Amino acid sequence: SQTIHQWPATLVQPVGSPLSLECTVEGTSNPNLYWYRQAAGRGLQLLFYSIGIGQISSEVPQNLSASRPQDRQFILSSKKLLLSDSGFYLCAWAPAGTGANVLTFGAGSRLTVL
Amino acid sequence: DAKTTQPNSMESNEEEPVHLPCNHSTISGTDYIHWYRQLPSQGPEYVIHGLTSNVNNRMASLAIAEDRKSSTLILHRATLRDAAVYYCILLYSGGSNYKLTFGKGTLLTVNP
Repeated sequence: SQTIHQWPATLVQPVGSPLSLECTVEGTSNPNLYWYRQAAGRGLQLLFYSIGIGQISSEVPQNLSASRPQDRQFILSSKKLLLSDSGFYLCAWAPAGTGANVLTFGAGSRLTVL
Repeated sequence: DAKTTQPNSMESNEEEPVHLPCNHSTISGTDYIHWYRQLPSQGPEYVIHGLTSNVNNRMASLAIAEDRKSSTLILHRATLRDAAVYYCILLYSGGSNYKLTFGKGTLLTVNP
């Protein structure tokens, strides 16, 4: 069966510090991978998605970047965090192919920037 | 991208049925209708999906209008654990639209 792991679960970072959130998927190959952010009391905002190694599409111009160094690994990074980067970050995956395929989310990483 | 429209919030009483509506008037023939829900402090979880016919699973039922321009998620007997934000999204089956965007969803409150 497929599983998705996301870490760290919680982190508190000072403004200006770097960020690295990691997501890995097991039990599948060539998944579509996604990073979403949810600010407090807000909806899900799509940040990045990837359909293959090294293929990253950015949805919102911002202080963040994403990379996919391996087929089932998706990393969200920042060189210098802003206060506005605080939020609940969610990684998700879906099988490539038809619209019948289900999107599966990780447990999320809650980031607080002070 | 096809868009969906949902009410911001709905309220229900425990053990009563709940009908959560979703409008998707610009849906294309190959778009699947998916529903997800997000419990507090958790990532969204899959609930149900369908293309043209009504669908049932252990969590809910999905009723799809004949013209496919709207759908309704049905929780047959709401429990307190069903209190969540429910999202209706469209997934393109053509294989080239990989961007999956969520609207604001419907916040369901279940009263004891």
